[in-house]
Amino acid sequence: SQKIEQNSEALNIQEGKTATLTCNYTNYSPAYLQWYRQDPGRGPVFLLLIRENEKEKRKERLKVTFDTTLKQSLFHITASQPADSATYLCALDNYGQNFVFGPGTRLSVLP
Amino acid sequence: IAGITQAPTSQILAAGRRMTLRCTQDMRHNAMYWYRQDLGLGLRLIHYSNTAGTTGKGEVPDGYSVSRANTDDFPLTLASAVPSQTSVYFCASSDPFLVGTATQPQHFGDGTRLSIL
Repeated sequence: SQKIEQNSEALNIQEGKTATLTCNYTNYSPAYLQWYRQDPGRGPVFLLLIRENEKEKRKERLKVTFDTTLKQSLFHITASQPADSATYLCALDNYGQNFVFGPGTRLSVLP
Repeated sequence: IAGITQAPTSQILAAGRRMTLRCTQDMRHNAMYWYRQDLGLGLRLIHYSNTAGTTGKGEVPDGYSVSRANTDDFPLTLASAVPSQTSVYFCASSDPFLVGTATQPQHFGDGTRLSIL
């Protein structure tokens, strides 16, 4: 069955450093991949979408890569700030079929 | 402010009771979804609706039912609650899926925290 794994459950980094979160998958061939941010007590908020034929996507301090050979997406936050502390979820999509969320990684940016 | 409204925000319920979680959106999105979120398991799709009048089953539909009488409302009903249905429930909506394209980004409500005793 398909499986999605994200980093460890939690990641701590120092303010100003680059945070790198991973999303690995097996038994799945996604055409698209989405990343969401979720704050405690709130619903997820969409951040970025990347297509299988795009190697990289950027939005302000965020960068996402998508390697279909390694079956992996990396989510980078550069110059991280305490306000970036949240849980980040990846979601896989195969043209609307089997849209599946990963379990999430809780990021803490320490001042 | 446009978005998804879920009610109640939290509820404690005795096992065996019937419960309806309400979800209303004002973005005129055709597609709506219900997820449950449990620690370590992430978001799992319960039911979805691609347009008013149609519904479909997701990954974990047993014990739940939905209806979609109009575009804006998508209630989720637990006919006879059991403790394993203790979870945080999220409703979401999105623009309609177009064949051959990506699932559109989903807009989420802030959830209903449900405890079944």
